[in-house]
Amino acid sequence: GAVVSQHPSWVICKSGTSVKIECRSLDFQATTMFWYRQFPKQSLMLMATSNEGSKATYEQGVEKDKFLINHASLTLSTLTVTSAHPEDSSFYICSARTDPYEQYFGPGTRLTVT
Amino acid sequence: QQPVQSPQAVILREGEDAVINCSSSKALYSVHWYRQKHGEAPVFLMILLKGGEQKGHEKISASFNEKKQQSSLYLTASQLSYSGTYFCGTEYSGGSQGNLIFGKGTKLSVKP
Repeated sequence: GAVVSQHPSWVICKSGTSVKIECRSLDFQATTMFWYRQFPKQSLMLMATSNEGSKATYEQGVEKDKFLINHASLTLSTLTVTSAHPEDSSFYICSARTDPYEQYFGPGTRLTVT
Repeated sequence: QQPVQSPQAVILREGEDAVINCSSSKALYSVHWYRQKHGEAPVFLMILLKGGEQKGHEKISASFNEKKQQSSLYLTASQLSYSGTYFCGTEYSGGSQGNLIFGKGTKLSVKP
C-alpha cells in the first residue's frame, strides 16, 4: 500500500515554455500533498503544501506565480512550472500524507530546461 | 531550522553496524527517516513521534530522545542494499502539520 506515482518521469523543455507534473496517490486518499525540489547531492527542499480544495501554501522564497499548484481531488495534485528557465532544472518530488502522519514520496520528475 | 545530521558519510563492510544522528535546535514533534538511492525518490523507513519512543523492523531501528531533541537511526549487520543517503525529516512542535524540514543527509556505503 501507500503508492505514489508521478508523471512524467523526466521532461526536457525549451526555455519559456510551461511544464505540468502530476502526482497521484494510487491506493489511498491524500488530503495533503507536498512538493519538493532537490538539486544534485543536496537535500530535499519543501516548496509548497497542497491541500485538496484550497490554495497551496508556499514556502518562503518560492514564487507562487511561477510554480502553480492545483490539488484537484483527494488523489491528484499538479505542479506547473510556468515560463521555465534553465535554473528551474531540478528533480521535483511530491509526497502524499496518509493518516495520521506518514509521508510517501513519488518517484520524482527530472526537469531539464534548455 | 534545518536539522543537523552526523556523520556526513560513512563507509562500512557488510555485516558492520552504523548509527546516524539527527539533531534539532527546536522542539520536535516527530522525526521521519528516509533512504534515497541515487536517481530515485526517498523511501520511507519509519516515523517517531514525540514521547521518546523507539521503533524498528528487521535490522533497522531508531530512537527519539525528546529531551535532547535528537533522533538516532541504528543499522545493524549492514547489507549491501543498505547503501544510499539517509535523510531525517523533522516536524516541529507548533509548526505546520506535516511540513518536513530535511537534514543534509548521511551517505552510507556498504562494501562487500
